Amino acid sequence: GAVVSQHPSRVICKSGTSVKIECRSLDFQATTMFWYRQFPKQSLMLMATSNEGSKATYEQGVEKDKFLINHASLTLSTLTVTSAHPEDSSFYICSARPPNSNQETQYFGPGTRLLVL
Amino acid sequence: QKEVEQNSGPLSVPEGAIASLNCTYSDRGSQSFFWYRQYSGKSPELIMSIYSNGDKEDGRFTAQLNKASQYVSLLIRDSQPSDSATYLCAVNRPPSNTGKLIFGQGTTLQVKP
Repeated sequence: GAVVSQHPSRVICKSGTSVKIECRSLDFQATTMFWYRQFPKQSLMLMATSNEGSKATYEQGVEKDKFLINHASLTLSTLTVTSAHPEDSSFYICSARPPNSNQETQYFGPGTRLLVL
Repeated sequence: QKEVEQNSGPLSVPEGAIASLNCTYSDRGSQSFFWYRQYSGKSPELIMSIYSNGDKEDGRFTAQLNKASQYVSLLIRDSQPSDSATYLCAVNRPPSNTGKLIFGQGTTLQVKP
């Protein structure tokens, strides 16, 4: 299967700081990547769709000014959690869709665990 | 009504038995259905996808889809302790070309030696 990486795998930060999470597709070009958030004992919730070369589209209830997404190349999307607060502590997971495959097939990165103190 | 519903479990089966995981969805426009496995602290990994009514088999796994009943299931034959994980059902949100997936809350499976 296709390989997707994320960095960092874990981050601890103070309240009010900004945190950047990178998502890379290692062996394919991804015009579309997705960002999910998962709280403990809950399922994955789609936050936004990241489109290379254009603005991200956000799901209802997700603040676009708080969760900045940049998809500057076909292999990299970044999620920046601005002015993070303890309620933003969660498991953030990206996924990427390979081109020329079934359009719903997505491969997930290993996730980034964020803890805001 | 949740868009994708699963029994959270835990579902406990003995080693070697068949584990049956179920999922219902609300949007009749959904066309693509997926089962992901998620180990504790890890991200989901794709097990199977299914798009047509009926059964689809891959090794010990069989996915079953019934669009009329808006129901999709996953059978795991000869369950192994290593199958112990949370199984997530995912359904595409129409229209189909967006790639957006809606996940159920997952069913925790425990396979006991």
